[in-house]
Amino acid sequence: GAGVSQTPSNKVTEKGKYVELRCDPISGHTALYWYRQSLGQGPEFLIYFQGTGAADDSGLPNDRFFAVRPEGSVSTLKIQRTERGDSAMYLCASSLTRLHEQYFGPGTRLTVT
Amino acid sequence: GENVEQHPSTLSVQEGDSAVIKCTYSDSASNYFPWYKQELGKRPQLIIDIRSNVGEKKDQRIAVTLNKTAKHFSLHITETQPEDSAVYFCAASHNTNAGKSTFGDGTTLTVKP
Repeated sequence: GAGVSQTPSNKVTEKGKYVELRCDPISGHTALYWYRQSLGQGPEFLIYFQGTGAADDSGLPNDRFFAVRPEGSVSTLKIQRTERGDSAMYLCASSLTRLHEQYFGPGTRLTVT
Repeated sequence: GENVEQHPSTLSVQEGDSAVIKCTYSDSASNYFPWYKQELGKRPQLIIDIRSNVGEKKDQRIAVTLNKTAKHFSLHITETQPEDSAVYFCAASHNTNAGKSTFGDGTTLTVKP
């Protein structure tokens, strides 16, 4: 079946602009996660959804970052007033439940110029 | 919060030799420890995981050991092959907050033919 997909695969934006990154989880997966990965480092947890609600958003770096999952499937990570330090690979993952294996998407590479 | 340290950062072995990667964690409440393989430009993929109720798990050439008392766990790859070359990440999480996986910074494994 289809895996986790993310769009766009690459996004270049100017400092100060607003961006939206989309994640389509595996069908039927109730848990969805967002991570940020900088070069040479492991994925860094941002936020985790169980169904439609954010079960844990403690990894969001500041209030410029926000994520939604209105129907319990597709999720959008929103970044306002982007800064150069936001440049990274943003990874989405989903799992059947929070107790199951996480499957990662291919990521969106965000570059803020 | 949880802190995961991973060593070594780079590892080079000859084809057929064994490779060992070690991780330590700080939160004694962590009870789920997955290992991911990430090839260049690709998404992380789960290769093996272990829960805290067992000390060792094996899957063909890959094994993971866990020492809860010392709070460390290790990945063992035997009979390495060039296709094992990749970045390997360990992670730790707690069942009740399984979304919040904390990753190590990765080990770049190179298997020389």
